[in-house]
Amino acid sequence: DAGVIQSPRHEVTEMGQEVTLRCKPISGHNSLFWYRQTMMRGLELLIYFNNNVPIDDSGMPEDRFSAKMPNASFSTLKIQPSEPRDSAVYFCASSLSGVLRHSNQPQHFGDGTRLSIL
Amino acid sequence: QQQVKQSPQSLIVQKGGISIINCAYENTAFDYFPWYQQFPGKGPALLIAIRPDVSEKKEGRFTISFNKSAKQFSLHIMDSQPGDSATYFCAASMVPSNTGNQFYFGTGTSLTVIP
Repeated sequence: DAGVIQSPRHEVTEMGQEVTLRCKPISGHNSLFWYRQTMMRGLELLIYFNNNVPIDDSGMPEDRFSAKMPNASFSTLKIQPSEPRDSAVYFCASSLSGVLRHSNQPQHFGDGTRLSIL
Repeated sequence: QQQVKQSPQSLIVQKGGISIINCAYENTAFDYFPWYQQFPGKGPALLIAIRPDVSEKKEGRFTISFNKSAKQFSLHIMDSQPGDSATYFCAASMVPSNTGNQFYFGTGTSLTVIP
């Protein structure tokens, strides 16, 4: 079975450029999560979607960050304009949640996009 | 505010020894406690999980001990092997609503098992 697929795996770009990260969740999963991981702050939740609808975006650091989920099999995280402090590893995760009441299901992570802003 | 507090930040264990990582939480609404293992260059992967109706869950060399009254849970790795060297994250989440729910992750523990 295919897991969560993220692209690109690595991205190096100059400050001020637009960056788009992509995620394909596991087929059938209805929740999708975007995380950012740094040494200083650990794993931070940026935003999560349920049935393609953004539920909680309180972790999005600033207006330069935006995320969309146009359909159940695709999501993007966009940074415009990018800054050096955005350098981190960005993870996408998906799960099957909210379908069975009172039943938590694990999140499955992709292998991340390592983003470097010069 | 960190919802789940994890310790230690790093741990070095001899091969064959027991690795113990601890987590604590305050929110009594949490009802699912997974542990994730992350290798360099990879995403976190579910290792083992427990619900608060049991005090212990064991899968192979990995055991979760859960103390509901103390609001603490820990991961024990028996007979630790060099291949267990990774970063481990604990997490917690509440009963999901019909719009799902988020996981609250600890800050991670870097485990090194020395041959």
